Amino acid sequence: DIQMTQSPSSLSASVGDRVTITCQASQDISNYLNWYQQKPGKAPKLLIYDASNLETGVPSRFSGSGSGTDFTFTISSLQPEDIATYYCQQYDNLPPLSITFGQGTRLEIK
Amino acid sequence: QVQLVQSGAEVKKPGASVKVSCKASGYTFTSYGISWVRQAPGQGLEWMGWISAYNGNTNYAQKLQGRVTMTTDTSTSTAYMELRSLRSDDTAVYYCARKGWAGFDPWGQGTLVTVSS
Repeated sequence: DIQMTQSPSSLSASVGDRVTITCQASQDISNYLNWYQQKPGKAPKLLIYDASNLETGVPSRFSGSGSGTDFTFTISSLQPEDIATYYCQQYDNLPPLSITFGQGTRLEIK
Repeated sequence: QVQLVQSGAEVKKPGASVKVSCKASGYTFTSYGISWVRQAPGQGLEWMGWISAYNGNTNYAQKLQGRVTMTTDTSTSTAYMELRSLRSDDTAVYYCARKGWAGFDPWGQGTLVTVSS
């Protein structure tokens, strides 16, 4: 199985800061990488798909980049409503389907 | 709008089974798959498996092989996830999510399954 290593596990930043989260795959996954936001007590929400594509309706301060094994998720200017836990997720659609989540990054306001 | 609505919370004893439902609306059910993801209290997300609503093909996470079964009822646009031989570490919120080519969107609201004697 493909392992996803996400860092940091937690992060404290101020409103307006640029925030970066990284995710590393244990093998080449091309651009088959998604990013989710989960607020407390809520279901996750898809923000970025295929490494760099912004889901419809998601603010443009969110972005993603990378391919192969190394990926980055960025919030360009942190807003109070961005407080959440963020997860990366790899997907391998070739049968048998295999999906793995990163461990998550808990983002707090400083 | 596209929506997935899950069944309510369950309390089960160790060794029992649980079956969670996920009713889809707002899209053509058979055009997408449904994945199931669980989240233990205070923990991260764990993918459990996937079912094609088109033909019923399934893929399960290796860890759960033999204990989990995913099915669909296309007449009611409903997906089901049954987990057997429940243990205390199966206590979690269980989510269904529509899977397109790439990501999971949307997700159901989650179903809390508590396993306790």
